Amino acid sequence: ETGVTQSPTHLIKTRGQQVTLRCSSQSGHNTVSWYQQALGQGPQFIFQYYREEENGRGNFPPRFSGLQFPNYSSELNVNALELDDSALYLCASSRTSDEQYFGPGTRLTVT
Amino acid sequence: GQSLEQPSEVTAVEGAIVQINCTYQTSGFYGLSWYQQHDGGAPTFLSYNALDGLEETGRFSSFLSRSDSYGYLLLQELQMKDSASYFCAVPNSGNTPLVFGKGTRLSVIA
Repeated sequence: ETGVTQSPTHLIKTRGQQVTLRCSSQSGHNTVSWYQQALGQGPQFIFQYYREEENGRGNFPPRFSGLQFPNYSSELNVNALELDDSALYLCASSRTSDEQYFGPGTRLTVT
Repeated sequence: GQSLEQPSEVTAVEGAIVQINCTYQTSGFYGLSWYQQHDGGAPTFLSYNALDGLEETGRFSSFLSRSDSYGYLLLQELQMKDSASYFCAVPNSGNTPLVFGKGTRLSVIA
């Protein structure tokens, strides 16, 4: 059984640019959630996708957007990057409400 | 909304027992989860309590008291590899996603 994978592992962008992060969910999981984790903080929920539809959103501006594909993989897009967007971006897949399986994350640095 | 409080740091000696507490305020309660995260790593699921009482999984146990809006994670026979951040989390609704506490950084010393 393949776990959750994310790409890229590290990324450096300039303020104002756009970025796309990718996530492949664990086999059999149809729900993908994205989280932002700043240094020294807990993960903050960005949004969730269930069967290709957005199924909930946290307190993030519209420049954070996403997609889920028929194979349940997902993308997180961030437009007009700001310095505060520098963080670890985590993708988690799940099948039930009890347990989420996290990927290794993408470390985004905005300069 | 949901909010969770947990200590920011805990230090314990190798071989000892440590308890990490978590209090929560939620508009609806669906269970309390615990995750472990090593530096540079992803959070990994440790336990989930939906009902009051103690759940034991090897060296780790988790306790929940819904009437007190309180839970804790108990780590026994501490090992150096247990040094990590531990997060309590609650679902935002009956299903995912999760609202996390700020985490407790556990340092195990010799």
